[in-house]
Amino acid sequence: SYELTQPPSVSVSPGQTASITCSGDELGHKYASWYQQKPGQSPVLIIFEDTKRPSGIPERFSGSNSGNTATLTISGTQAMDEADYYCQAWDSSTPRYVFGAGTKVTVL
Amino acid sequence: EVQLVESGGGLVQPGRSLRLSCAASGFTFDDYAMHWVRQAPGKGLEWVSGISWNRDIIGYADSVQGRFTISRDNAKNSLYLQLNSLRGEDTAFYYCTKGTHGAAAAAAAFDHWGQGTLVTVSS
Repeated sequence: SYELTQPPSVSVSPGQTASITCSGDELGHKYASWYQQKPGQSPVLIIFEDTKRPSGIPERFSGSNSGNTATLTISGTQAMDEADYYCQAWDSSTPRYVFGAGTKVTVL
Repeated sequence: EVQLVESGGGLVQPGRSLRLSCAASGFTFDDYAMHWVRQAPGKGLEWVSGISWNRDIIGYADSVQGRFTISRDNAKNSLYLQLNSLRGEDTAFYYCTKGTHGAAAAAAAFDHWGQGTLVTVSS
């Protein structure tokens, strides 16, 4: 089955840039989406189709996808960005939707 | 404003059944695929099942194939999930989510989520 691999945790200082990776076989040939989930809340879509932001999502969130790795970048990280982040893709061979295990972002 | 409101969760014994419902509003329900995504307490997200706008395409995760059944009633703007032969590992928050497309698609994502309903399977 298709798997997406994320680092368990990422730490970043306020105002700095956080990068969260998501790796999968030929992921660059698929579309990647990203979700933010804060404690006790439902997930929120923050990036879809690799690079697009839904309305209302701040511009400091951006995405890229190439080769085997999709990356979520948070520029000028704020304390409110502390959350779990999940990547997701569609595996046409199974066919199933797949999530990564999630990355906990800590703003120190 | 898109709203998705789940109901039907609760405590159930292993081997028993449960039916989850999701009431949708704020968008044209029969234009979009709908999905169930679950999250065990303290764990990550797992796609469970999805159904296309016209019910022609239905998919399930391997972990629930043959035990869970997804359905929708476009006249009632409602999504359902029938959970049979429940196991301890099915314990999770179950989220109703709206797809970004009418059917399964490579670009599809989940752009709105309900608040979730907790299913606890225990004797």
